[in-house]
Amino acid sequence: GDSVTQMEGPVTLSEEAFLTINCTYTATGYPSLFWYVQYPGEGLQLLLKATKADDKGSNKGFEATYRKETTSFHLEKGSVQVSDSAVYFCALSPRRAGTASKLTFGTGTRLQVTL
Amino acid sequence: DTGVSQNPRHKITKRGQNVTFRCDPISEHNRLYWYRQTLGQGPEFLTYFQNEAQLEKSRLLSDRFSAERPKGSFSTLEIQRTEQGDSAMYLCASSFRQGSSQGLAGTDTQYFGPGTRLTVL
Repeated sequence: GDSVTQMEGPVTLSEEAFLTINCTYTATGYPSLFWYVQYPGEGLQLLLKATKADDKGSNKGFEATYRKETTSFHLEKGSVQVSDSAVYFCALSPRRAGTASKLTFGTGTRLQVTL
Repeated sequence: DTGVSQNPRHKITKRGQNVTFRCDPISEHNRLYWYRQTLGQGPEFLTYFQNEAQLEKSRLLSDRFSAERPKGSFSTLEIQRTEQGDSAMYLCASSFRQGSSQGLAGTDTQYFGPGTRLTVL
């Protein structure tokens, strides 16, 4: 079945440091890929998405590129801020006809950014 | 605020009691999903509606769980005879997808509500 593997956290960075959170997936066909973020006490928010190979999703300074050859969708940000402290979830959604677009999530990576 | 709303936000119950949660999706969205999230894990799919039809259920959804979306708008998730293992955050998400059949390939972007945290004592 479909699965998503994320690097384990917590990840602790100083403000303005470079961020990478690794995500790899296993799926039949060519799924759509997502990053969701969960701030403390809040619900899941869509951060960015990519729907086909080599697409780059971007939002709020975060980027991720859909790499079919390595089945990866790593999240990056050039300079993190304290306000980026949250849990980040990588997820995929199948694009197979006759299948619901249900999301399969990774276990989440907690990011803590300090001054 | 026109986002997905869920009620109640927190529910504490005793083992063996029944509980019901409500989800109000974004108004024009025709798809509605339920997920469950336990501590330290990502959300897991439970079930999915397109309009009022429940089209898919996970094997996680035992016969104690039932979900409805009677008029294709709000949805309820009921858990009967709760067990301590049911303690989790229950998340609802909605999306819009054109077409009346899930036979269309493609994807839709899901927007999540704040969740209902269930604690079973």
